[in-house]
Amino acid sequence: GENVEQHPSTLSVQEGDSAVIKCTYSDSASNYFPWYKQELGKRPQLIIDIRSNVGEKKDQRIAVTLNKTAKHFSLHITETQPEDSAVYFCAASLQDTGRRALTFGSGTRLQVQP
Amino acid sequence: DGGITQSPKYLFRKEGQNVTLSCEQNLNHDAMYWYRQDPGQGLRLIYYSQIVNDFQKGDIAEGYSVSREKKESFPLTVTSAQKNPTAFYLCASKQGSGQPQHFGDGTRLSIL
Repeated sequence: GENVEQHPSTLSVQEGDSAVIKCTYSDSASNYFPWYKQELGKRPQLIIDIRSNVGEKKDQRIAVTLNKTAKHFSLHITETQPEDSAVYFCAASLQDTGRRALTFGSGTRLQVQP
Repeated sequence: DGGITQSPKYLFRKEGQNVTLSCEQNLNHDAMYWYRQDPGQGLRLIYYSQIVNDFQKGDIAEGYSVSREKKESFPLTVTSAQKNPTAFYLCASKQGSGQPQHFGDGTRLSIL
């Protein structure tokens, strides 16, 4: 089955700096890679996703890059703000199969210092 | 997401007791999922269902059971066989292939 590893487990940055979170996956057939943000005690919220037919996707201050050859993908947050502080999860799955369930990384706790 | 409702928000289980967590969605989504989240960890798949009257085991199904009698409902029962049930349980749903999963607000289960 799929295995997703996520690094770092904690990340502290100064407000205005950039933050980068990296994930690797094991199943080369995976083709869908979402990122979720989870605030303490709340539901994970989808912030951006990418499919294997593109290498990069941006949405304002958030971008995701995908390297299919190396089987890794990264989340980039620019101009960080205190409200970006949360736990971020990457995930991977193979769409168009019976399961279509996500395999999650272990999460990165991002702390943005004002 | 307002369309996925989990209840109760907090639940306590006594030794030897079965408890059922509710998940209802009004999004007309075909697929529904149950995940377990332990402190400081990611989400692990318990069970999933792609269609009414059909469901499949996920990675950590032992000690859990589900049913999918209606499209909008996917209850999870934590049985007495689950020896370490304390966790945050999240239900999710999605419309179909290529669509993202959306989560409910979760149920926090503890042992009395």
